[in-house]
Amino acid sequence: QSVLTQPPSVSGAPGQRVTISCTGSSSNIGAGYDVHWYQQLPGTAPKVLIYGNNNRPSGVPDRFSGSKSGSSASLAITGLQAEDEADYYCHSYDSSLSGWVFGGGTKLTVL
Amino acid sequence: QVQLQQSGPGLVKPSQTLSLTCAISGDSVSSNSAAWNWLRQSPSRGLEWLGRTYYRSKWHSEYSVSVKSRITVNPDTSKNQFSLQLSSVTPEDTAVYFCARGTDGYLDSWGQGTLVTVSP
Repeated sequence: QSVLTQPPSVSGAPGQRVTISCTGSSSNIGAGYDVHWYQQLPGTAPKVLIYGNNNRPSGVPDRFSGSKSGSSASLAITGLQAEDEADYYCHSYDSSLSGWVFGGGTKLTVL
Repeated sequence: QVQLQQSGPGLVKPSQTLSLTCAISGDSVSSNSAAWNWLRQSPSRGLEWLGRTYYRSKWHSEYSVSVKSRITVNPDTSKNQFSLQLSSVTPEDTAVYFCARGTDGYLDSWGQGTLVTVSP
């Protein structure tokens, strides 16, 4: 069981908006540690999508955005496209474990 | 553009030591702003951070509590690479292993991944 909790799956039609939640606790997200998001296409390594809660690396479309509040964070994807179909993971630091922790991953299906 | 190239065996026998190497191009293992990480991914354990090494005036290593007694991550400055050694492996250590560069707390460059199977 992952330290950060994500829904196993979400889905949406092309053009729609979806959000993926990431729930932590007082030893990770709630303690103020940054949240990062990764996209993983089948058979490939994860790729950073959002870093530092709400920052996009160059090359990542502005359809992707991140937010954080309390012990939770969210990834929002607007204008869904077929190419967005992938697994998404949140990532933070946990002070009680003294290490990095990840969510269990959310599979996004574009209907 | 940082590139990480992983190498190592894809099959390891139970109780033996898993060894992987990650060659770095476009950056230095001795960088004062990066950390060099190993992670793994399996259906049962998800994405799991294992450990890292980094240089800040001296070398540091940090490990996940889940593997701390079995893991070593070492830099090799002569070859600009770093390595993972995981001892006393069991079938539960079967996973895809990734190396990755850490910057400002997140992982911005990843290796291609290596499927390591632990089997007799």
